[in-house]
Amino acid sequence: AQTVTQSQPEMSVQEAETVTLSCTYDTSENNYYLFWYKQPPSRQMILVIRQEAYKQQNATENRFSVNFQKAAKSFSLKISDSQLGDTAMYFCAFIQRNTGKLIFGQGTTLQVKP
Amino acid sequence: DAGVTQSPTHLIKTRGQQVTLRCSPKSGHDTVSWYQQALGQGPQFIFQYYEEEERQRGNFPDRFSGHQFPNYSSELNVNALLLGDSALYLCASSPQGPLGYGYTFGSGTRLTVV
Repeated sequence: AQTVTQSQPEMSVQEAETVTLSCTYDTSENNYYLFWYKQPPSRQMILVIRQEAYKQQNATENRFSVNFQKAAKSFSLKISDSQLGDTAMYFCAFIQRNTGKLIFGQGTTLQVKP
Repeated sequence: DAGVTQSPTHLIKTRGQQVTLRCSPKSGHDTVSWYQQALGQGPQFIFQYYEEEERQRGNFPDRFSGHQFPNYSSELNVNALLLGDSALYLCASSPQGPLGYGYTFGSGTRLTVV
């Protein structure tokens, strides 16, 4: 079975500092996509960053970057210069290319403290 | 450009009743997926609709059914509601193209079964 595991239920970071959220996944597929989604109290799931498995270069989006280790099946998210607006629940997700079904991890609640 | 719209935002139903949730996809998107998110958990895939047909289905009982209309909007129906059906129901839309671009999510419908 394909699974996504986020081992950190809760994390906190001081404003302007850097934090890393961990994610591991299990799949037998070779071509797939990985995502980090942010879910603030407004409940809407917002795409933060995505990574294509066949690309070795780690994706970056402004203050957000990933460390993608395909062999280890690891996909961590680094948030630099944390801002109060980054406070939210973060979900790591994997997409099955043949079904289009997103498989989510359990989530990590991130609190950015002033 | 309107994103994904879901209605209603909140709903309270009694055990045994039936409920219908609605979703309008983002403009230009023709595929709609539904997810159930229990409190403090990651979303779980219910099913996906494309060309007015159910294309993929997750591990949910037949009490969960859906429909897609010619304008790509969709409904999720749940019959014989159980207390355990209380959750946030998320709708996500996507173009039927490269899956790697991910989905656009709505803000969800919070269903409470009493």
